[in-house]
Amino acid sequence: GESVGLHLPTLSVQEGDNSIINCAYSNSASDYFIWYKQESGKGPQFIIDIRSNMDKRQGQRVTVLLNKTVKHLSLQIAATQPGDSAVYFCAEGRGTPLVFGKGTRLSVIA
Amino acid sequence: EPEVTQTPSHQVTQMGQEVILRCVPISNHLYFYWYRQILGQKVEFLVSFYNNEISEKSEIFDDQFSVERPDGSNFTLKIRSTKLEDSAMYFCASSPGPGGQQYFGPGTRLTVT
Repeated sequence: GESVGLHLPTLSVQEGDNSIINCAYSNSASDYFIWYKQESGKGPQFIIDIRSNMDKRQGQRVTVLLNKTVKHLSLQIAATQPGDSAVYFCAEGRGTPLVFGKGTRLSVIA
Repeated sequence: EPEVTQTPSHQVTQMGQEVILRCVPISNHLYFYWYRQILGQKVEFLVSFYNNEISEKSEIFDDQFSVERPDGSNFTLKIRSTKLEDSAMYFCASSPGPGGQQYFGPGTRLTVT
């Protein structure tokens, strides 16, 4: 989801459950999409990416789904762990600059 | 694993002063970027740099900003006369090619007083 001002949407999940974080992107011409994880005081850390010629890509415990029809991107995290607690940003790009969404805070309840 | 490094981690400066933020991109990468993140906000693109020149810049990157690759390893962002609203985290990133994954550094927190 998108946020307004300083208030990030927060997703709280129980440890071991699956998490789904959603993102709406803006540019229908974007051909590259990426999810980053950002822990407090650190830089964005790559999680997974996907190009527009695909609609699904899987990594280790993570899956990204792309729906170009409605310009929607989602990140699924399987068996969420306390170390997954962070702010998650989606970003879109066509060429060089990445355009970031405002982020979703994932809070894992042990 | 190679990583992007940035110095300093925190810079405090007075309004009107010049600051230089430093970055060492990953050694075999050819594209370099600066982004900034105001506290609690999203990450915003400032500038991209390739082949010793700016390839793209955003509206934020006005005449007060400049970038330089002074040698084969460093990539710097200079703000000539800082304003209060320049207070933010500044992230350097690099990538091997023009599209695809960008690798981010840990950031420099700039505080303008």
